Amino acid sequence: DAGVTQSPTHLIKTRGQHVTLRCSPISGHKSVSWYQQVLGQGPQFIFQYYEKEERGRGNFPDRFSARQFPNYSSELNVNALLLGDSALYLCASSLRQEAFFGQGTRLTVV
Amino acid sequence: QQQVKQSPQSLIVQKGGISIINCAYENTAFDYFPWYQQFPGKGPALLIAIRPDVSEKKEGRFTISFNKSAKQFSLHIMDSQPGDSATYFCAASMDDYKLSFGAGTTVTVRA
Repeated sequence: DAGVTQSPTHLIKTRGQHVTLRCSPISGHKSVSWYQQVLGQGPQFIFQYYEKEERGRGNFPDRFSARQFPNYSSELNVNALLLGDSALYLCASSLRQEAFFGQGTRLTVV
Repeated sequence: QQQVKQSPQSLIVQKGGISIINCAYENTAFDYFPWYQQFPGKGPALLIAIRPDVSEKKEGRFTISFNKSAKQFSLHIMDSQPGDSATYFCAASMDDYKLSFGAGTTVTVRA
């Protein structure tokens, strides 16, 4: 059974550009969450979606948005990229509190 | 405000030794406490988890000890192996909502 898959694995963008990151959850998992992990720190919560509804949002600016599709896959969008947005973006799908992470998308903003 | 505090930041242990990582939390509403293992360039992998109605949980060489009154929990890695060298994160959540992570502990196991 496939785990959480994220695409792309690596991405380089220029300041001011927009980026879309994608996530496919484990089959049967209806909850998808997004986290940002800066080098040397623990992951920080960005969004959680459950059954296509936003369940919660972390302390991130409005430049960050997300959505969940009928097949429970999800997209994270970031507008007007800043150098400080460079990080590993992680997607997790969960069932009864057990959260499983994908390999992440390494975003570099130059 | 960091809701979960983790220590130490790093530790070195000899092969066959015991690694101990400690975490403390403030929010008594947390009802789920997982530990994750992360290798460089990879996503965190769920290692073991505990709920507050249990004081200890063991899976293979990994044991979580939980002290509800002190609001602390710890991970013990027994018989540490070089393949255990990684960064370990404790976390906490409530109602299947967001995970609040500790800052991480880098464990190095020397052969």
